[in-house]
Amino acid sequence: EVKLVESGGGLVKPGGSLRLSCAASGFNFNNHNMNWVRQAPGKGLEWVSSISSSGTYIFYADSVKGRFTISRDNARDSLSLQMNSLRAEDTAFYYCVREPDYGGTDYFDYWGQGILVTVSS
Amino acid sequence: DIQMTQSPSTLSASVGDRVTITCRASETISNWLAWYQQKPGKPPRLLIYRASTLVSGVPSRFSGSGSGTEFTLTITSLQPDDFASYYCQQYDNYSRTFGQGTKVEIK
Repeated sequence: EVKLVESGGGLVKPGGSLRLSCAASGFNFNNHNMNWVRQAPGKGLEWVSSISSSGTYIFYADSVKGRFTISRDNARDSLSLQMNSLRAEDTAFYYCVREPDYGGTDYFDYWGQGILVTVSS
Repeated sequence: DIQMTQSPSTLSASVGDRVTITCRASETISNWLAWYQQKPGKPPRLLIYRASTLVSGVPSRFSGSGSGTEFTLTITSLQPDDFASYYCQQYDNYSRTFGQGTKVEIK
């Protein structure tokens, strides 16, 4: 069974930092591009960042470029998102999301349960 | 970025109704479109990819169509479990974008 479990969320002050982690299991993590997608409470979905299966290719939404860093550890089947210079508008549920193992840019076939990040003073 | 526009934003329907949700892309995306269902407090669930391919295990009352810039999600004979929010998403390029969502409510 595919499982994606996020951790590391919580309350942080504006300008602060937080690191999210995602533990993957039930599939060959090495074969899949991975992503972070967020959703502000009561709002729609926003793609945040993606990383290719090998970690070679990395992309960010303009809204987080220069502040967030995505990374992965294929030996530990884990995905991370380092979030710096956090703003109130970064408050959202953050989902760890998998793409199918077809390569290229793709849709999202499995989602974690999500973790809440709240940026407030 | 490619903008995705969904309509309507909210839809009131009854059990048994046929429901259609439309998604329009700001530029052509071939058939690189997915549909997701989301219930309150849960992550989105993939329903359809490549505009019309149904994910295994998704009921056949769900169907998708379209290509280029115009797409539709149709639910024939709406069931109680289908009351939820639905999102389209383009994956024509790395900057994946979603529609703003359609909430299907009980009439």
